[in-house]
Amino acid sequence: DAKTTQPTSMDCAEGRAANLPCNHSTISGNEYVYWYRQIHSQGPQYIIHGLKNNETNEMASLIITEDRKSSTLILPHATLRDTAVYYCIVSSGGTSYGKLTFGQGTILTVHP
Amino acid sequence: DAGVIQSPRHEVTEMGQEVTLRCKPISGHDYLFWYRQTMMRGLELLIYFNNNVPIDDSGMPEDRFSAKMPNASFSTLKIQPSEPRDSAVYFCASSLTASGGEQYFGPGTRLTVT
Repeated sequence: DAKTTQPTSMDCAEGRAANLPCNHSTISGNEYVYWYRQIHSQGPQYIIHGLKNNETNEMASLIITEDRKSSTLILPHATLRDTAVYYCIVSSGGTSYGKLTFGQGTILTVHP
Repeated sequence: DAGVIQSPRHEVTEMGQEVTLRCKPISGHDYLFWYRQTMMRGLELLIYFNNNVPIDDSGMPEDRFSAKMPNASFSTLKIQPSEPRDSAVYFCASSLTASGGEQYFGPGTRLTVT
């Protein structure tokens, strides 16, 4: 699976949009981009995933560039409860179906 | 649904003892994953099952670790004998085939081996 690169940490003011970038320049055509987050002392939580189209759900939006080499997770109105480690993961199906490799992620701190 | 259930939530044991961690996946999910998280190595996939059959155990650190899934609603991860370097948080997750990488994680078991 392709490797991802994320900033180590980011800050965001409460109520503002949090834009978390991820580079995955070696992504291949059948690989999806997944985002998870882990709030302190809890298990990781699925947020959203996409292949090449932009996606939106009740938690966040995922913007994938046309060449698919990078993506941005957007939390439209960040709250203090969104403070967490955010993981960007690239994974394909086939023999590695469902197999996720978590990197170090981005520590997002939302401040008042 | 109650989500993925893990027990115990905390386990403290002495080196050399056998440790058994338990997981109940979400009903109807056909994939089950075991992960380990430490500060040094982050979150690592140990093993995963599909329809109760182990598919990939390449992440299992050594023969001291074993995992079983006797039925669709129960899985165990056993460490025998335990060592201090096994101290970590162990997570279980489950998913549906149709949902691909959308996994649901349990609260984890914090294992301390002294």
